[in-house]
Amino acid sequence: DTGVSQDPRHKITKRGQNVTFRCDPISEHNRLYWYRQTLGQGPEFLTYFQNEAQLEKSRLLSDRFSAERPKGSFSTLEIQRTEQGDSAMYLCASRRTTNEKLFFGSGTQLSVL
Amino acid sequence: AQSVTQPDIHITVSEGASLELRCNYSYGATPYLFWYVQSPGQGLQLLLKYFSGDTLVQGIKGFEAEFKRSQSSFNLRKPSVHWSDAAEYFCAVGANNNNDMRFGAGTRLTVKP
Repeated sequence: DTGVSQDPRHKITKRGQNVTFRCDPISEHNRLYWYRQTLGQGPEFLTYFQNEAQLEKSRLLSDRFSAERPKGSFSTLEIQRTEQGDSAMYLCASRRTTNEKLFFGSGTQLSVL
Repeated sequence: AQSVTQPDIHITVSEGASLELRCNYSYGATPYLFWYVQSPGQGLQLLLKYFSGDTLVQGIKGFEAEFKRSQSSFNLRKPSVHWSDAAEYFCAVGANNNNDMRFGAGTRLTVKP
């Protein structure tokens, strides 16, 4: 399977802990996106990378959130000092150009206790 | 900023019946419009997209959508629903740069036998 893969699928953590998620996009895709989806809502844009450059960040991305894509391939999303409100599905997506469709991963479900 | 409204949270149709899912968008210029489907445990899958040209767009799995600028709508239709179409459907709108896509809250489709 050469789709977008995300790891882990599920993460349970205690409030105040740090968590890190990984996304491996489709190999030739230089554009990578992170979204957050809460129950009963559509995905909300968090941030966007073109190669290794983080070009856009949503106001939803507080200073506890940081995303990297160091070599322009895989990306990580770290949440520091997690809060219960961070509980959500974190989705990663990629594509080659802006006009192509987004390919989504299956997401990482985060539960903060 | 662009936004999307999906007025119907949940729709139930009988197998074989026709389907129409509503989507209204808000954006000052010509939008990029998308319909995605999400099944439990699956990533979001693109059904169809509209960038320009013919306002009636054909997608995968027998779905189509019509862009109506005067009504700011992009409703999704299918003439005959199959049980496997039961899922969550999301309408999305992208701005000029198409990186900050905004999703609606989704419509959950239940198919009765």
